[in-house]
Amino acid sequence: KQEVTQIPAALSVPEGENLVLNCSFTDSAIYNLQWFRQDHGKGLTSLLLIQSSQREQTSGRLNASLDKSSGRSTLYIAASQPGDSATYLCAVRGNTGNQFYFGTGTSLTVIP
Amino acid sequence: KAGVTQTPRYLIKTRGQQVTLSCSPISGHRSVSWYQQTPGQGLQFLFEYFSETQRNKGNFPGRFSGRQFSNSRSEMNVSTLELGDSALYLCASSRGALLSNEQFFGPGTRLTVL
Repeated sequence: KQEVTQIPAALSVPEGENLVLNCSFTDSAIYNLQWFRQDHGKGLTSLLLIQSSQREQTSGRLNASLDKSSGRSTLYIAASQPGDSATYLCAVRGNTGNQFYFGTGTSLTVIP
Repeated sequence: KAGVTQTPRYLIKTRGQQVTLSCSPISGHRSVSWYQQTPGQGLQFLFEYFSETQRNKGNFPGRFSGRQFSNSRSEMNVSTLELGDSALYLCASSRGALLSNEQFFGPGTRLTVL
C-alpha cells in the first residue's frame, strides 16, 4: 500500500523567507502528484498538479518538483507571506484506481 | 464557474442514527470521490463514482455507501453512526475518467456524532 510522508509536520518562518516542504512516497508507480493547501477546518485548494512524466510545475511563487524514481516531491514557496499560513498536503495517485493517497500534511505559520 | 458544493456544511447526529451527505461537482465534471478526514487518520479515501458507477472503494465498512445520479451529483450515506465517524467529509470532482485529471475539493461537511 502506498505510504506518503510529509516532513516537517510543522514549520514556522518569518515573513519574506523562502521555504521548502517535503513529500515522500513509498511506491514510485504513481500517475501524478498534487499539492493542496487547507485552511483550518476548510476544504482543500489545489495548488499544483504534476504528472508522472513531468519534473516540475510552477504557479506564481510556488514551484513543485517531482523525482519519481526516488519517491520524492518538494514544494518551494518563495517570499512567504502571512496569507500562506495553512496546512499543505501532498497526494499521490497510483497507476490503478482513481484514489489519492494523502500525506499527513505540513502546518505552516508565516510570522509577520 | 461554481466550485464543488457540499450540503449540509455542519451536521450533528447521535449514535445509531444514519446520515446522508450531498455533493454537487463542478459543472461538466463526471467523476466524484469522497474522503474522510480525522485528526488521527488524516485523509482517507472512501469511494469514487464515474457515470453513476462505483469505480473504486476504500477500506471502510459497509455502513458507508454512496451513489451518483445522472446529473453527476453524488450522495454518501452512513448508517448506524458511531462516535468514530465524527469527521470532516470531503468530496472532490474531476472532469472525466482519466487518472491525469486534476481533482477539485469542496468545503466539506463537518459531522459530529454524539
